[in-house]
Amino acid sequence: EPEVTQTPSHQVTQMGQEVILRCVPISNHLYFYWYRQILGQKVEFLVSFYNNEISEKSEIFDDQFSVERPDGSNFTLKIRSTKLEDSAMYFCASSEAWDRLYGYTFGSGTRLTVV
Amino acid sequence: AQTVTQSQPEMSVQEAETVTLSCTYDTSESDYYLFWYKQPPSRQMILVIRQEAYKQQNATENRFSVNFQKAAKSFSLKISDSQLGDAAMYFCACAPLTGTASKLTFGTGTRLQVTL
Repeated sequence: EPEVTQTPSHQVTQMGQEVILRCVPISNHLYFYWYRQILGQKVEFLVSFYNNEISEKSEIFDDQFSVERPDGSNFTLKIRSTKLEDSAMYFCASSEAWDRLYGYTFGSGTRLTVV
Repeated sequence: AQTVTQSQPEMSVQEAETVTLSCTYDTSESDYYLFWYKQPPSRQMILVIRQEAYKQQNATENRFSVNFQKAAKSFSLKISDSQLGDAAMYFCACAPLTGTASKLTFGTGTRLQVTL
C-alpha cells in the first residue's frame, strides 16, 4: 500500500536554529498538507499546498514557516528560527484530489524537539 | 469554520466487549466528510472509518461502525469485540468539501484503554 514517508523521525534542534522537515507524498497525489500535534493536544492544521502554491494556511503558520516542493517529489516544511513552543509532532499528509478524502494519507510524523 | 468536540477524555472497555466513543461537530458547510482516526503509541495517524455527510447509511468497517446523526451533528464510533490492539487515542475529524483543498479539523481525542 502506498505510503507517505517523513524524515527524520526525530529531530532535536537548538532554539533559533532553522529546521527542514521532509516528506515524500504518494506519487499520484496532488494535494499536500502539514499538521502539528503538541504533546497531549489535538492535531492542528498548518497549511495545504496545491499546484505549487499554498491553498490555505492557519494562524499558526506565520512568517517563520514556509513550504515548498523543490523537486516534484519532496514536500518540505521549513521553520526559520525555532522556538521552544515549536516542539511538537509534525505530520505530513497527501490526497489525490480535494474531494477524494478517502485517499487522505498521513505520514508517520517527525518529532521535533527544540531545546 | 468548524469545531469538533469529543467529551470523553478517556474510556475503558473489557476485551471482547463493545464501546462507543462520542463526537459532536459543528460546521456551516453543506457537504463534508467525517472521520475517525486512531493514534497508537507510535503516534502515527491511522484512518479507522469515514462517512460522507450526504449518505444516510452509517459506515462500517469490520468491527468498527458509526452512528451518524446529521441533524444532531453527532458522529459516534462503535467498536465491537474490542481487542487489546484497539487501545489508542481516537480522534474525530471533519473536513469540508469546498475550496481547492480540504483541511481536517480534529477533536481533542479520547484515550481508549482495553482491559483483560
